[in-house]
Amino acid sequence: AQTVTQSQPEMSVQEAETVTLSCTYDTSESNYYLFWYKQPPSRQMILVIRQEAYKQQNATENRFSVNFQKAAKSFSLKISDSQLGDTAMYFCAFLLDDKIIFGKGTRLHILP
Amino acid sequence: DTEVTQTPKHLVMGMTNKKSLKCEQHMGHRAMYWYKQKAKKPPELMFVYSYEKLSINESVPSRFSPECPNSSLLNLHLHALQPEDSALYLCASSQPTLAGPYEQYFGPGTRLTVT
Repeated sequence: AQTVTQSQPEMSVQEAETVTLSCTYDTSESNYYLFWYKQPPSRQMILVIRQEAYKQQNATENRFSVNFQKAAKSFSLKISDSQLGDTAMYFCAFLLDDKIIFGKGTRLHILP
Repeated sequence: DTEVTQTPKHLVMGMTNKKSLKCEQHMGHRAMYWYKQKAKKPPELMFVYSYEKLSINESVPSRFSPECPNSSLLNLHLHALQPEDSALYLCASSQPTLAGPYEQYFGPGTRLTVT
């Protein structure tokens, strides 16, 4: 069975700083997808970034980038130049065969 | 249009009521999902419809009954719910590809309170 672990329940950083959110997962599969989703307070869950397991290159999306270490089963999210609007719950997610397994989430606070 | 819409936004119902949640997407996605999310927890998968057929039922109690009338619509019929069923119910959709399923787009959710 697949599991996703986010070891940081809550984090706070100052605006404009860089922050890294950790995620590890466990699977015996070789082809899968990984995602980071963001859920702002009382707002919609939105996709931040995706990574296909067969791609060695780390995905980037503007200020968001990942460090994907397939052998270590690690998938961390780096947010550069953090903004107040980045305050949200961040979920790491593993997708296989139409089922997403979410981690428990990291609540990120960006402080002014 | 990359939007998934859900109605109503809020719903309060008694334990003897029957109500329905609705979800709609116009992205041409052929897979649709229902999730239940409790406060400060990740979403939990309830049902998956793929090409309008129920493909996954995560052992959800029968008081929750999904329905997919067509490729754009997904309903969740509720009957005889319990207070512990109070939660945010999220709908999502995705487009299956030859390489497998892809990312899911979520709606804003229906916040359900069972009294």
